[in-house]
Amino acid sequence: GAVVSQHPSWVICKSGTSVKIECRSLDFQATTMFWYRQFPKQSLMLMATSNEGSKATYEQGVEKDKFLINHASLTLSTLTVTSAHPEDSSFYICSAIEYYEQYFGPGTRLTVT
Amino acid sequence: QKEVEQNSGPLSVPEGAIASLNCTYSDRGSQSFFWYRQYSGKSPELIMSIYSNGDKEDGRFTAQLNKASQYVSLLIRDSQPSDSATYLCAVGGSQGNLIFGKGTKLSVKP
Repeated sequence: GAVVSQHPSWVICKSGTSVKIECRSLDFQATTMFWYRQFPKQSLMLMATSNEGSKATYEQGVEKDKFLINHASLTLSTLTVTSAHPEDSSFYICSAIEYYEQYFGPGTRLTVT
Repeated sequence: QKEVEQNSGPLSVPEGAIASLNCTYSDRGSQSFFWYRQYSGKSPELIMSIYSNGDKEDGRFTAQLNKASQYVSLLIRDSQPSDSATYLCAVGGSQGNLIFGKGTKLSVKP
């Protein structure tokens, strides 16, 4: 299957700072990537759809000014959590589609102190 | 709003037995269905995809789809302790995204 990487795998930051998470498709090009968030003991919830060369589409309830998404190339999408707060602590996972199947990155665990 | 329902479990089966995982979905127009496995602290790993009614087999795994009943299942034959994980049922959304169920936790006892 296709390989999707994420960096960093985990990050701890202070409240009020910003954190950038990178998502890369390693062996294929992805015009669309997805960003999900998973809180403990809950399922994955879609945050936004990232489209190469255009603005991301955010799900209802997700603040676009807080979660900045940039999909500048066919292999890279970034998610920046701005002015992070403890309630943003979560497991952030990106995914990309190849041949109609969705492959997930390994995830980034964000802890905001 | 599209919903995907799964029994949260835990489902406990002895090693070597068949594990049966079930899922129902609300949107009758859904066309694509997936089963993912997620180990604790890890991201989901695709096990099977299924698009048409009937069974699809891949090794020890068999996915079954019944669109009339809006029902998807996953059978794991010869269950191994390494199969112990949370199994997520997902349905394809209109934007190419996935809508996940809350997952069923499977425990395979040696």
